[in-house]
Amino acid sequence: EAGVTQFPSHSVIEKGQTVTLRCDPISGHDNLYWYRRVMGKEIKFLLHFVKESKQDESGMPNNRFLAERTGGTYSTLKVQPAELEDSGVYFCASSPSGYEAFFGQGTRLTVV
Amino acid sequence: QKEVEQNSGPLSVPEGAIASLNCTYSDRGSQSFFWYRQYSGKSPELIMFIYSNGDKEDGRFTAQLNKASQYVSLLIRDSQPSDSATYLCAVKTDSNYQLIWGAGTKLIIKP
Repeated sequence: EAGVTQFPSHSVIEKGQTVTLRCDPISGHDNLYWYRRVMGKEIKFLLHFVKESKQDESGMPNNRFLAERTGGTYSTLKVQPAELEDSGVYFCASSPSGYEAFFGQGTRLTVV
Repeated sequence: QKEVEQNSGPLSVPEGAIASLNCTYSDRGSQSFFWYRQYSGKSPELIMFIYSNGDKEDGRFTAQLNKASQYVSLLIRDSQPSDSATYLCAVKTDSNYQLIWGAGTKLIIKP
């Protein structure tokens, strides 16, 4: 069974540009999460989807971040325009029950 | 005060010994507690979770929870060099599904 897949694995963009990260959860997992780890800090929650609905987006830092999960399958996280402080590793996780979460490999975003 | 605290380490343990990793949390409403292992450059991997006071064993791993003291620990018996990684403690309240993370403890098992 395929795990959670994310792409790209790395992205380097200039400040002010737009980047879209993609996450494909484990098939059948209704719950999908986005987390972010900034260098030297702990992992922080961004948001939680149940199927296509945003259940909790309290961790989204500002309106430059937009997450979607059309059709309740894969999800995208768009950052527009990117700022230097957006650099970090973005993790996606999925869960069948909202309990155990299985993580993807992450996307390392560098904004220069 | 951080919501979930862990000693950053590194914690160095000789091969074959017991490694003890500790985590404290501030929210008394926390209900579920998770230990993840993360190798450098890789994704966090769930080792085990616990939600009742006491011990929970799974192979060489034992999670211990003391809600009164707001303390959760992970013991690794017969430590192996392959156990060398960063161990992340995460906490969840039942009011939402988000995980609150500690910064992780780096564990080094010396052959």
